[in-house]
Amino acid sequence: DQQVKQNSPSLSVQEGRISILNCDYTNSMFDYFLWYKKYPAEGPTFLISISSIKDKNEDGRFTVFLNKSAKHLSLHIVPSQPGDSAVYFCAASVGTSYGKLTFGQGTILTVHP
Amino acid sequence: EAQVTQNPRYLITVTGKKLTVTCSQNMNHEYMSWYRQDPGLGLRQIYYSMNVEVTDKGDVPEGYKVSRKEKRNFPLILESPSPNQTSLYFCASSLMGQGSMTQYFGPGTRLLVL
Repeated sequence: DQQVKQNSPSLSVQEGRISILNCDYTNSMFDYFLWYKKYPAEGPTFLISISSIKDKNEDGRFTVFLNKSAKHLSLHIVPSQPGDSAVYFCAASVGTSYGKLTFGQGTILTVHP
Repeated sequence: EAQVTQNPRYLITVTGKKLTVTCSQNMNHEYMSWYRQDPGLGLRQIYYSMNVEVTDKGDVPEGYKVSRKEKRNFPLILESPSPNQTSLYFCASSLMGQGSMTQYFGPGTRLLVL
């Protein structure tokens, strides 16, 4: 039972345009969400997070949107750069003190120069 | 430098030969976890530990063991590896109860079981 789903295995975008990566979840208890970026031969690195008390969080070129009623979150990257080409994972947790993260399958983003 | 280290980075073994993948962090984190990454399945949690001597099963614990005798170390043990445990393994650590679930990942261990 995949509680966190990233239905697009890959996304291709032109440099300078917006990249939108999507994530859906089924567990209504999830209230904290994160995005991780992973380059080949490296471990995932934290990108941005959002708590369920917010519907938007911004950090530079990266913005995460949360739609609780739709159980959907998205990551917007504007403008996209070739260095953003990586695998992006969304993850969710119940609270922030329990310690368990549930990850999606990942989306491969390719940004073309 | 704050980091999570894993050893070995690459390992080829045969079915049934016990192996241990080590994980160590220097950030004094309470929480540590093991994940496996497989194509189309993303990262799936194997085991996690919220502190010394406190461990619990994740989503795919079968065939694995862990121990947490010291805060900095969290080894993953495969007592009798099988080919379906061929995967890319990541160890991660984080602080607990800090209002953040940011986990710091090691570089990964690629395991091939023949």
